[in-house]
Amino acid sequence: GAVVSQHPSWVICKSGTSVKIECRSLDFQATTMFWYRQFPKQSLMLMATSNEGSKATYEQGVEKDKFLINHASLTLSTLTVTSAHPEDSSFYICSARVRGLYEQYFGPGTRLTVT
Amino acid sequence: GQSLEQPSEVTAVEGAIVQINCTYQTSGFYGLSWYQQHDGGAPTFLSYNGLDGLEETGRFSSFLSRSDSYGYLLLQELQMKDSASYFCAVRPSWGKLQFGAGTQVVVTP
Repeated sequence: GAVVSQHPSWVICKSGTSVKIECRSLDFQATTMFWYRQFPKQSLMLMATSNEGSKATYEQGVEKDKFLINHASLTLSTLTVTSAHPEDSSFYICSARVRGLYEQYFGPGTRLTVT
Repeated sequence: GQSLEQPSEVTAVEGAIVQINCTYQTSGFYGLSWYQQHDGGAPTFLSYNGLDGLEETGRFSSFLSRSDSYGYLLLQELQMKDSASYFCAVRPSWGKLQFGAGTQVVVTP
C-alpha cells in the first residue's frame, strides 16, 4: 500500500515552454501533497505544500507564478513549470500524506531537462 | 535558522558496520526520520525517532538524543545494495520534513 506515482518520469522541453508534472496517490487519499526539487548530489528542498481544495503554500524563495500547483482531488496534484529555463532543470519529487498521519510517501520523481 | 549536518560520504566493506551521524538545529522539533535514496530513485523511509533512544528495524537502527540535538543511523552487516544516499530529516512542524544534505554510503567488496 501507500504507492505514489508521478508522470512523466522524465521530460525534455525547450526554454520558454511549460511543463506539467502529475503526482497521484494510487491506493490512498492524500489530503496533503508536497513538492520537492533536488539538484544532483544535493538534498531535497521543499518547494510547496498543497492541501486538497485549497491554495498551495510556497516556501520562501519559490516563485508561485512560475511553479503552479493544483491539488484538485484527494488523489491528484499537479506541478506546472511555466516558461521553463535551463536553470529549472532538476529532479522534481512529490510526496503524499494521509490526514492525521505524519509519514510522507514519495513518488519516483520526474527528471526535467530544459534545453 | 534551521540546519542539519551529516557527513558527505562514508566508505566501508561488505559486512561492516557504518554509523551516520546527524546534528540538527531547528526552531521546532517533532522527531527525526531517516531516508534511503538510490541514484535516480525516490527516497524511501527507513526509520523515525520521536523520543530519545534506539529504534531497531532489521539491520538498520536509529538513535536520538533530543538534549544533544543529535541522532544517528546504524547500518549493520553492510551489503552491496546498501550503497546509496542516506538523509536525515527533522520534522520542524507538523507535516513538514526538512532534509539534511545526505551521506553517500559506498560499500566495497
